[in-house]
Amino acid sequence: DAGVTQSPTHLIKTRGQQVTLRCSPISGHKSVSWYQQVLGQGPQFIFQYYEKEERGRGNFPDRFSARQFPNYSSELNVNALLLGDSALYLCASSHLRVRNTGELFFGEGSRLTVL
Amino acid sequence: QQQVKQSPQSLIVQKGGISIINCAYENTAFDYFPWYQQFPGKGPALLIAIRPDVSEKKEGRFTISFNKSAKQFSLHIMDSQPGDSATYFCAARSYNTDKLIFGTGTRLQVFP
Repeated sequence: DAGVTQSPTHLIKTRGQQVTLRCSPISGHKSVSWYQQVLGQGPQFIFQYYEKEERGRGNFPDRFSARQFPNYSSELNVNALLLGDSALYLCASSHLRVRNTGELFFGEGSRLTVL
Repeated sequence: QQQVKQSPQSLIVQKGGISIINCAYENTAFDYFPWYQQFPGKGPALLIAIRPDVSEKKEGRFTISFNKSAKQFSLHIMDSQPGDSATYFCAARSYNTDKLIFGTGTRLQVFP
């Protein structure tokens, strides 16, 4: 079975531009989350979507937005890019069940460099 | 209250030795504690996880010890191998959410 897939793997943007990152969850997983990992730090939670609805939002500005599609894939959009947005953006998926026993599986990430 | 504190920041171990990484948390709403292994340029990979109703979980050479009263948990890697050289993150998650709070990471180097 395929794991979590993300695209693109690497991209370079300039300040002020906009970027869209894409994620396909593991088959059967309905929950998708996005994390930002700055070099040398642990991942930071950005968003969670479950059944196409936002279930959680981290402490990120409104320049960050996301959505989930009927096939459970997801997009993360970042507007008005800043140098500080340079990071590895990770997508994760899980079976989100009532007792929260679902393991969270990460993709390889999209490496964004803002110049 | 949302933090997970992880130590040490870096760890050097001889092949065959025991690697120990410690984490502490404050939020009692956390009910799931995974450990992730991350190699350079890769996404984090789930290594082992524990829920607070057990004090220890072992999978192969990896063991999590959990102390609920002290709000601490640790990862023990027995018989450490050079292939274990990676960055390890502890994390904590609240009930019925996928929001993981990660520690700051421990860079483990295992020398032959």
